[in-house]
Order: sequence, then C-alpha cells, then structure tokens
Amino acid sequence: AQSVTQLDSQVPVFEEAPVELRCNYSSSVSVYLFWYVQYPNQGLQLLLKYLSGSTLVKGINGFEAEFNKSQTSFHLRKPSVHISDTAEYFCAVSDRGNQFYFGTGTSLTVIP
Amino acid sequence: NAGVTQTPKFRILKIGQSMTLQCTQDMNHNYMYWYRQDPGMGLKLIYYSVGAGITDKGEVPNGYNVSRSTTEDFPLRLELAAPSQTSVYFCASSFNSYTFGSGTRLTVV
Repeated sequence: AQSVTQLDSQVPVFEEAPVELRCNYSSSVSVYLFWYVQYPNQGLQLLLKYLSGSTLVKGINGFEAEFNKSQTSFHLRKPSVHISDTAEYFCAVSDRGNQFYFGTGTSLTVIP
Repeated sequence: NAGVTQTPKFRILKIGQSMTLQCTQDMNHNYMYWYRQDPGMGLKLIYYSVGAGITDKGEVPNGYNVSRSTTEDFPLRLELAAPSQTSVYFCASSFNSYTFGSGTRLTVV
C-alpha cells in the first residue's frame, strides 16, 4: 500500500504571493497522482491529475503540479494566490488500480 | 448529470440508534467508496466496492456495514451509533479519478 505525506498541515500566505504545497508518496512504482481541493463545508473537487505524459500538470484556478519520479513528489504550486483559494488541499496517489491513498491535508489560508 | 448524491446532509443520532447514509451515482462507475473525515486526520476509507454484489473492508470498517445491490447505489449502515462515529462522511465513485459527494455531517450524542 502507498502512503502519502503532506509535509505542511497549515500554510498561511499573503494574497498575491506564490505558494507551494508539498506532497510526497512512498513508492516509486507507476502511479497516478491527484490534488483535490475542499472548500469549507463542501465535498472534495478534483484540482488536477497526473496519469502519464508531461510531468508538469496544469489544473483549474491557476494551479499546477510537477511530478518528480526520482523524489517521489508531486508538489502543488500557484504563482499568485487569491482570497478564494483559502481551502483544504489533499494530495492522493493511486497505484493505477482504483484504490486511492490520501494525505492528511494542508490547510491553505490566504491573508488579505 | 448529478454525479454522486448523498443524503441526508446533516443528522443527529442518539447513542445506540441506527441509520443508513444513502449514496447514488449516475456515471455508471463500478468502483464506489465510503470515507470518513475527522479534523486533522484526512480521509479514512471505511468500505469500498468494485461492482454490484462485491464489497470489501477499508481501513476503519468497525461499526459499519454496506451493501451494493446495484451499480448506482452504495448505502452505508451504522448500527448502534457511538460518539466515536461523529464525523463527516463522504461517498465517492471512480473511473481514473474520484468524484465525491457533498458529504453527510453526522453527530452522535
């Protein structure tokens, strides 16, 4: 089974500043990688995913993530955050089956 | 296209009561899941199903039961509710990526 580590449980950042949310996973076998966002009192929405191909993946709302196989990482980035980006972000890994393994989440707070 | 629909959205139970959380998907996904989410703990898999008639335990199955009589429906049953089952419950279905329902917030008092 995979394990997923989100290194930062809380990330405060000022509005319009860049942000990086870190995610590492345990196994270097072929995997699918995902980031999900959860706004307050809502379900999880898919932000972006890596299945194959280019290691730089672009998602919704200006987010992108880079798959680094050698470092088993899939960090999420945004060059300029908005107040509306305040949410919980979850990294998830699938070993190409249909079982997913989730990190414990990173709470992003954008400060005006 | 409704995606994954969960009902109810909120529920308060007394200790020892039972209830069923409903989950329906209209995407014809074979795989369905139930998770619980507790503050700071991420998502814990309760049960999952790989198709109608097939279910299996996840990480935290104790105190719960599921059934999967159709592709669309995957209800979660709580028998003898306990305060430790106070949580937010999410149903999901998948084909390459997960689609989540909006959640059920359950409080056991």
